[in-house]
Amino acid sequence: DTAVSQTPKYLVTQMGNDKSIKCEQNLGHDTMYWYKQDSKKFLKIMFSYNNKELIINETVPNRFSPKSPDKAHLNLHINSLELGDSAVYFCASSLSGRRTDTQYFGPGTRLTVL
Amino acid sequence: QKEVEQDPGPLSVPEGAIVSLNCTYSNSAFQYFMWYRQYSRKGPELLMYTYSSGNKEDGRFTAQVDKSSKYISLFIRDSQPSDSATYLCAMTPNTGNQFYFGTGTSLTVIP
Repeated sequence: DTAVSQTPKYLVTQMGNDKSIKCEQNLGHDTMYWYKQDSKKFLKIMFSYNNKELIINETVPNRFSPKSPDKAHLNLHINSLELGDSAVYFCASSLSGRRTDTQYFGPGTRLTVL
Repeated sequence: QKEVEQDPGPLSVPEGAIVSLNCTYSNSAFQYFMWYRQYSRKGPELLMYTYSSGNKEDGRFTAQVDKSSKYISLFIRDSQPSDSATYLCAMTPNTGNQFYFGTGTSLTVIP
C-alpha cells in the first residue's frame, strides 16, 4: 500500500492555465505538506496543514492555494501558471507536525509549464 | 546567503569506499538535523536524524553534528552501488516548524 500518493505524476501545460495536483496519505497523520523542488534539486517547503488548518505559508505567490477536504488529503491548486512554476512538487505527511516527526514524502509530480 | 549550504557534487566513488557528505549552515538556532536520501525520480526518505551536537550511528551510516562550527556530516562506510542517490541535509530551529533543506549531493557508487 502506498503511504503518500500524488496525482498526476507528470503534468505538462501552457502558461496561464490553472491546474491542480492531488495528494492523499493513508498513514493517519495529522499534518501534510507541499514542497517544491527546482531543477537544482533545492527543496523548499510551501505549505503545511495540521487538522485542516494552515500553519506554515512560506513566501509563496497567492496563485498557489492549498485545499484540504479532510486530514488525509491536501490538494494544491495553481492559477495562471508561469514558466518559473516548472518543478517537481512533493507532498509529504507527518504524525503531528512536530519537527521531530518523520516526514514521509510522495513520489512527486513533475510539472512542466510551456 | 542560503540558510543551508551543501556541495551538489556529483561525487563518484568505487564500491567499498568511505563517503563523506557535508553541510554548513548559518542559523545558530538550528537544533535538529536530518539526512534524507532521494533516489532518481522518487521522493526523499529520511535516513537519519540527530538532535544538537554529537554522533549517531546506524549500520553503515554515521551522522555527525558540530554546532560550534555549524557543520554536519554523513559518513557512509563500505559504500554499495545501492547507495547511489542524492543525499539532502535538512534542519530545523529550536522553535516553530520550519524545515530548511540543502540542495543535495549526488552520489554514484561504482561497482
